[in-house]
Amino acid sequence: DAGVTQSPTHLIKTRGQQVTLRCSPKSGHDTVSWYQQALGQGPQFIFQYYEEEERQRGNFPDRFSGHQFPNYSSELNVNALLLGDSALYLCASSTGTSNSPLHFGNGTRLTVT
Amino acid sequence: GEDVEQSLFLSVREGDSSVINCTYTDSSSTYLYWYKQEPGAGLQLLTYIFSNMDMKQDQRLTVLLNKKDKHLSLRIADTQTGDSAIYFCAEIPTSGYSTLTFGKGTMLLVSP
Repeated sequence: DAGVTQSPTHLIKTRGQQVTLRCSPKSGHDTVSWYQQALGQGPQFIFQYYEEEERQRGNFPDRFSGHQFPNYSSELNVNALLLGDSALYLCASSTGTSNSPLHFGNGTRLTVT
Repeated sequence: GEDVEQSLFLSVREGDSSVINCTYTDSSSTYLYWYKQEPGAGLQLLTYIFSNMDMKQDQRLTVLLNKKDKHLSLRIADTQTGDSAIYFCAEIPTSGYSTLTFGKGTMLLVSP
């Protein structure tokens, strides 16, 4: 039973560029959440997708956008990259019920130069 | 507001017990979680406790919840070097839908 998978594992981009990160949820899960973890910090909630819609959003600018596909997989897009966007981006999946435990992938390490 | 606080560092010897503490602010939190993160890896769900419980035990792990003081602790019995990692406490605030608010994490270092 595959857990949450994310791709790519590492990525280097230049300021101003755009990036797309991908996530496949754990089997049986229909909800995908994205978190940003800066070095030495706890993960910060970006947004959550359920039934192909953004259900909740954290305190992140509109440069951060996402998408969920009918197979429940998801993408995170970041436009106009800033140096401060360098972080580990974690995808987590859960079932649609509230308080369902989140299962995390290993993350994508994004470096913006 | 919602905030979760943890001590940043804990050092123990192999075989000792470790206790990692956490305080949270949202008194309406229904579930509280402990996650483990090893270097270069994602977060591994260790255990969680429902807010109407005081204690939960799962093999070497014991979670204690003091809802009055909004204090959560994770005790690891017989700590091993493989337990060295960063441990995150997290709560689901009243906004729900499994959106977790994390602390900054406690780095546990286990020496032989």
